[in-house]
Amino acid sequence: GQNIDQPTEMTATEGAIVQINCTYQTSGFNGLFWYQQHAGEAPTFLSYNVLDGLEEKGRFSSFLSRSKGYSYLLLKELQMKDSASYLCAVEDSNYQLIWGAGTKLIIKP
Amino acid sequence: ETGVTQTPRHLVMGMTNKKSLKCEQHLGHNAMYWYKQSAKKPLELMFVYSLEERVENNSVPSRFSPECPNSSHLFLHLHTLQPEDSALYLCASSQDWGGGADEQYFGPGTRLTVT
Repeated sequence: GQNIDQPTEMTATEGAIVQINCTYQTSGFNGLFWYQQHAGEAPTFLSYNVLDGLEEKGRFSSFLSRSKGYSYLLLKELQMKDSASYLCAVEDSNYQLIWGAGTKLIIKP
Repeated sequence: ETGVTQTPRHLVMGMTNKKSLKCEQHLGHNAMYWYKQSAKKPLELMFVYSLEERVENNSVPSRFSPECPNSSHLFLHLHTLQPEDSALYLCASSQDWGGGADEQYFGPGTRLTVT
């Protein structure tokens, strides 16, 4: 079966750096997405990786290793507004997005 | 209105009721999706429409019936639901289906409670 694993919850301090990991086993691979979802709100797109390596976008970076079935989202200079759930999703060979259950990130002052 | 809108935002219905959820996208996208989101579970893809044609046949109970009258509107018709169907129902759209890098834009969701 298809599976996306990510930690259920993480805690970090304002101003620090946090890395959220995601491992996947899917039928084919057409890209990996990270979304942010604040409580009670819709998910919003953060990043997309299809080739190995690091994609940087401001304070957020996303890394992919296809051979290891692994990705991480790196958040720098954490702000209180970064408290949210972070969802990892992989597009499989049928162009269907397979989602992880999300990582709830708690930022403490 | 911009983006993806959904109505109603909250819905409480009995198991014998019939109701419909509405989604509208103002982005000129060709693909639209219905998802179910339950607490602490991954998003479950229910239905996908591309250019008004249904393209996915996920195993969804027949008590959920989608309708896509045009590329901007998507409905989810509900009848004889069960309490376990209580969840957040999210609509999303993307430029195309199967486009690889096409990100999905989500609506705010309908919080459904079945009593």
